Amino acid sequence: EVQLVESGGGLVQPGGSLRLSCAASGFTFSSYWMHWVRQAPGQGLVWVSRIDSDGTSTRYADSVKGRFTVSRDNAKNTLYLEMIALRADDTAVYYCTSSGAAGYWGQGTLVTVSS
Amino acid sequence: QAVVTQEPSLTVSPGGTVTLTCGSSTGTVTSGHYPYWFQQKPGQAPRTLIYDTTNRHSWTPARFSGSLLGGKAALTLSGAQPEDEADYYCLLSYTTTRIFGGGTKLSVL
Repeated sequence: EVQLVESGGGLVQPGGSLRLSCAASGFTFSSYWMHWVRQAPGQGLVWVSRIDSDGTSTRYADSVKGRFTVSRDNAKNTLYLEMIALRADDTAVYYCTSSGAAGYWGQGTLVTVSS
Repeated sequence: QAVVTQEPSLTVSPGGTVTLTCGSSTGTVTSGHYPYWFQQKPGQAPRTLIYDTTNRHSWTPARFSGSLLGGKAALTLSGAQPEDEADYYCLLSYTTTRIFGGGTKLSVL
């Protein structure tokens, strides 16, 4: 059974940091580009970042560039999102998703940035 | 930054056919934008329906099809079912970024 399981979300104060993880199983994680997508409460989907299959190439949305860092450990089948200098408008459910012919999504982890 | 546009809402009758579109402020949408389509039901994570313009996943019902139509990406639902009522999002790839459309709320009534 394919699974993507996000973790690491929670309540953080403005200016704080968090590290999200996405544990993959049931498919060849190392073969696929991976993405982070977020969704603020009651809003639409927003693409955040992507990383290629071996972790050598990354891209970010302008709104998170310089604050978020995506990485992966193919030996551990895990995707990460390091987030610093968090702002209230980063509050959202964060999903990891696999690209192309994989097309799997996790259930998301909620990040709340509030004092 | 480009803006990706979708119809805010559409309604289709059960058994009917509807086409959702996905346009780009930069011009014609092509296969080089690698259009994706996603379905999201209330309280659930999104689900990928179509990738790279036309490709279905194993879980995608055959009644959903992707194409390019009139300079836009399109998702056509033929033979709508009540369970197809959901939000639908497209995603386009640009040189250094990817951008979602605002989503289409599809009602099956």
